[in-house]
Amino acid sequence: KQEVTQIPAALSVPEGENLVLNCSFTDSAIYNLQWFRQDPGKGLTSLLLIQSSQREQTSGRLNASLDKSSGRSTLYIAASQPGDSATYLCAAPTGGSEKLVFGKGMKLTVNP
Amino acid sequence: GAVVSQHPSWVICKSGTSVKIECRSLDFQATTMFWYRQFPKQSLMLMATSNEGSKATYEQGVEKDKFLINHASLTLSTLTVTSAHPEDSSFYICSARDRVGKRGTDFGPGTRLTVT
Repeated sequence: KQEVTQIPAALSVPEGENLVLNCSFTDSAIYNLQWFRQDPGKGLTSLLLIQSSQREQTSGRLNASLDKSSGRSTLYIAASQPGDSATYLCAAPTGGSEKLVFGKGMKLTVNP
Repeated sequence: GAVVSQHPSWVICKSGTSVKIECRSLDFQATTMFWYRQFPKQSLMLMATSNEGSKATYEQGVEKDKFLINHASLTLSTLTVTSAHPEDSSFYICSARDRVGKRGTDFGPGTRLTVT
């Protein structure tokens, strides 16, 4: 059974810092891993999808890496901005299916 | 733009009534959709897998008679919360994946249900 962990649960930083968000998963037999952003009271916005054959994926100031052997994924946010404040969730499929198991999320606050 | 929609975005109902939530894939066909619920400050928990043309499969601990799922077409799944109680108040989110494309899983904007 897949378990996904995100540490820390919350992070507060000044604007401009480069950030590292960690995600670990127990079942490495995944075909992809996905990072999402959730604003308060809103649904999920997909940020990055990393296929199992890839090591990393980039979109703008975001870069996500995937290391299946160690069961870890990392989301890098460069030059953080107040608009980046949100909860970030990583999710991995379980049991070779399309069902996603989510971490508890990391609440990011970027202070101006 | 959004590729998965949900309706309504929020709903308030009285205890004992039933509420139907729709989930639609807008520009692709989805043979499988998923329903999640999210309590305040909690992560998403998978409730059930909605399968087009067949019965939904429910996760352990989810009452299938309370949360009725119908996947009537390749672009529409509905979740009906029957005989709602205040403890059913939650944020319900659906997701779908375009098997043909290279996108990951897309999520709807969610439905906030409040049962009074």
